[in-house]
Amino acid sequence: GAVVSQHPSRVICKSGTSVKIECRSLDFQATTMFWYRQFPKKSLMLMATSNEGSKATYEQGVEKDKFLINHASLTLSTLTVTSAHPEDSSFYICSARDSLDETQYFGPGTRLLVL
Amino acid sequence: RKEVEQDPGPFNVPEGATVAFNCTYSNSASQSFFWYRQDCRKEPKLLMSVYSSGNEDGRFTAQLNRASQYISLLIRDSKLSDSATYLCVVNGYNGAGSYQLTFGKGTKLSVIP
Repeated sequence: GAVVSQHPSRVICKSGTSVKIECRSLDFQATTMFWYRQFPKKSLMLMATSNEGSKATYEQGVEKDKFLINHASLTLSTLTVTSAHPEDSSFYICSARDSLDETQYFGPGTRLLVL
Repeated sequence: RKEVEQDPGPFNVPEGATVAFNCTYSNSASQSFFWYRQDCRKEPKLLMSVYSSGNEDGRFTAQLNRASQYISLLIRDSKLSDSATYLCVVNGYNGAGSYQLTFGKGTKLSVIP
């Protein structure tokens, strides 16, 4: 089946630093990718919808200047957590929608710990 | 009212048991429906789509009642490997020009030897 990769799989950083997470669709093109966040024992929450070649659409309550999204190609979207703080520690999961059949595939997630 | 609501469980069942999960959704304009499975500290993985006519995949049976906005998943002959969190997922129009998946919080299943 289709594969979505995420890198890094886990990252530990100091408070105040920025962290970039990459999401790639490996064998299909994705005009649209999604970024989710999941806190322990909570449901996946959509943060933003990333559209290739245009600005991302952010969900209410998600700061666009803090969570920078770039979708520069049909196979790559990046999420940068700027000036990370301990409360940003979470499981970040990307998902890519196959442009051909609209099926949505999830990446393996990135576990972020901000000290 | 939460958009997608599930009983969080946990459901602790012995091997071989039959277990059913229920889910309700609030957006009557929702277009498609899914059950995902999420293992601890892993990403969600699609288990099956849910169709109005009901559909079956091996030991798994999914049902959808659009009138009641209700979705169910039945697992027969539970295996230890079925232990996971089962997410009810609804795809609907977000009012901003596109469709997006909305996830329930999940129902945790533990199958006990």
